Amino acid sequence: GESVGLHLPTLSVQEGDNSIINCAYSNSASDYFIWYKQESGKGPQFIIDIRSNMDKRQGQRVTVLLNKTVKHLSLQIAATQPGDSAVYFCAENYASGGSYIPTFGRGTSLIVHP
Amino acid sequence: DAGVIQSPRHEVTEMGQEVTLRCKPISGHDYLFWYRQTMMRGLELLIYFNNNVPIDDSGMPEDRFSAKMPNASFSTLKIQPSEPRDSAVYFCASSSTGREEKLFFGSGTQLSVL
Repeated sequence: GESVGLHLPTLSVQEGDNSIINCAYSNSASDYFIWYKQESGKGPQFIIDIRSNMDKRQGQRVTVLLNKTVKHLSLQIAATQPGDSAVYFCAENYASGGSYIPTFGRGTSLIVHP
Repeated sequence: DAGVIQSPRHEVTEMGQEVTLRCKPISGHDYLFWYRQTMMRGLELLIYFNNNVPIDDSGMPEDRFSAKMPNASFSTLKIQPSEPRDSAVYFCASSSTGREEKLFFGSGTQLSVL
């Protein structure tokens, strides 16, 4: 029979534009957050992280913003390039039985048009 | 470092057969995670180990799934018997000690159960 899959949220941008990918996390006790990039046929790769005692962190062409009040994360990519096309996941780490468990969001597909 | 190594990259099997997926974590990492990725459910944590000991297997879907980590450099995820609904990409990831540690993912095993 036919299988129905959920479509990922998709963001389409032109090369050179800035991209903003949003993520809502679920656990108010989470204190460490990570953005991963997953290219087709590969595993997720670390992009940038942020601790809960910060509200902004910058990397090379990427910035992560954290709003703990509304449990929201965003990833900003400056001057988006075709190589940035991928699925982007946010992950939250929260305590569970003495360990810290990373839990992933659903992901957002970024498509960059040349 | 070669990163996290998974094998096989692709596995096609028939319903009822046993499937074994393999993972070699990054040397020195003491956490190992098994995730399953599908369009319907995204990235699901199945089980994780700390220092070769299974800590939380609450994500393992059924008794048909089992995972072992006989030593610090090797882990297996076994499905017996396999079913078509097990078709997914299975990722292994490792990280070093600490609550604020990013995961390093392998390239995944694409499993198709016919």
